[in-house]
Formats: sequence, structure tokens, C-alpha cells
Amino acid sequence: QKEVEQNSGPLSVPEGAIASLNCTYSDRGSQSFFWYRQYSGKSPELIMFIYSNGDKEDGRFTAQLNKASQYVSLLIRDSQPSDSATYLCAVNGRGNEKLTFGTGTRLTIIP
Amino acid sequence: NAGVTQTPKFQVLKTGQSMTLQCAQDMNHNSMYWYRQDPGMGLRLIYYSASEGTTDKGEVPNGYNVSRLNKREFSLRLESAAPSQTSVYFCASSEIHIQYFGAGTRLSVL
Repeated sequence: QKEVEQNSGPLSVPEGAIASLNCTYSDRGSQSFFWYRQYSGKSPELIMFIYSNGDKEDGRFTAQLNKASQYVSLLIRDSQPSDSATYLCAVNGRGNEKLTFGTGTRLTIIP
Repeated sequence: NAGVTQTPKFQVLKTGQSMTLQCAQDMNHNSMYWYRQDPGMGLRLIYYSASEGTTDKGEVPNGYNVSRLNKREFSLRLESAAPSQTSVYFCASSEIHIQYFGAGTRLSVL
């Protein structure tokens, strides 16, 4: 079992709709959870992080964490064509700053 | 405001050649990382350095060496390049678990 799992997609969402991206992780001791966006040919950039159970909102983005289910998700409201990218889920373990990344979900927003 | 700077951006090597990928950060971060990214494999950690003078192996260290020259610089060396090392290499630095990435080096080994 991979440590961090994501559906590779592609996930196609109409413009203006809600895009929902999901991630599961295997280490129950994981402390911090991150979503990175990566445009084709570019480097990953951080868009959200969450440490506590529940929801965290930042503009059109909402991160959701459920530690009991070992599940973290990212919702993108009012999806725009500029949101088309690969979204990487990353998880931090105990006692260090290393991250374990999922393989990413490719999201396409259809105008 | 440069952030994390990687050089070179592109490189083509022949099998058996050596090279060093350079990385420098100007954010005064203690931790630095080298990743490789292959299609369908996500980002895999090669080596990391928690502070100046320390380095540790990551998930895929074989065939690579690193040097943490000072707090700013963390280099990755391929002593004898192999076609399996064809990849995109990213350097990152972090503060309080948040990692910032360089633009990447696209390496082809023929």
C-alpha cells in the first residue's frame, strides 16, 4: 500500500462547478497535510495546508481533514480554466520536516 | 526575491558522465531537499539536509551524492550517470514543514 494515495485522474469539471480532489494516507501519526498545485512543466506551489480535523477555507479553496478516516480533500469552488493543473497531496510525519507526496491528480476545467 | 534557484535548467549527459546540480536558497531555511519526478511516480525524495553539515538519505538515494556546502547551498552529484536517472529534479527548502521549490532541472541521460 502506498503511503499517500490519490486518484491520478484525469478529472474533468465544467467551469464554475466544484472540483473535489481526494487523498488518503497510511501513517496514523501524520501531523500536517498539504496541497500543492503543479502546472505542466513547472514546479509545485503550495496552495493549502491543514493541521487539524475539520475544514480550512482560503478564497475559493477549502481543505478538509478527517484523521480518523485518514483522509484529506481539497475543494475548489467556482472552478476556472486556470485551475487546470496537477494537484499533489503531501503528508508530513512525526519529528521531521520531510514530506511524502502522492502521485497527483490531473484536473481539467472545461470552459 | 529569488527564493530557491536551481542550475542548470536543462542538461543532456551521456551514460557514465558525471555532473553536479546546484541549488541555492535565500530564505534562511535550515532544511533543504532534492527530489526527482518521473511520470506517474510523483515526487520522490533523494536526499535531504535538516541543517548545515547534515545530510540523510531519502527514498531513492542510489547513484547520487549530496553536499550541504553552507546554509544556502545544497548540491546533488551524479558520479556516473545512467539512463534510469533521466528525470526532472527539484530542489526545495522548508520552514515549519512548508516546502518551497525551485524551477527544476530537466536531465536526459542517453
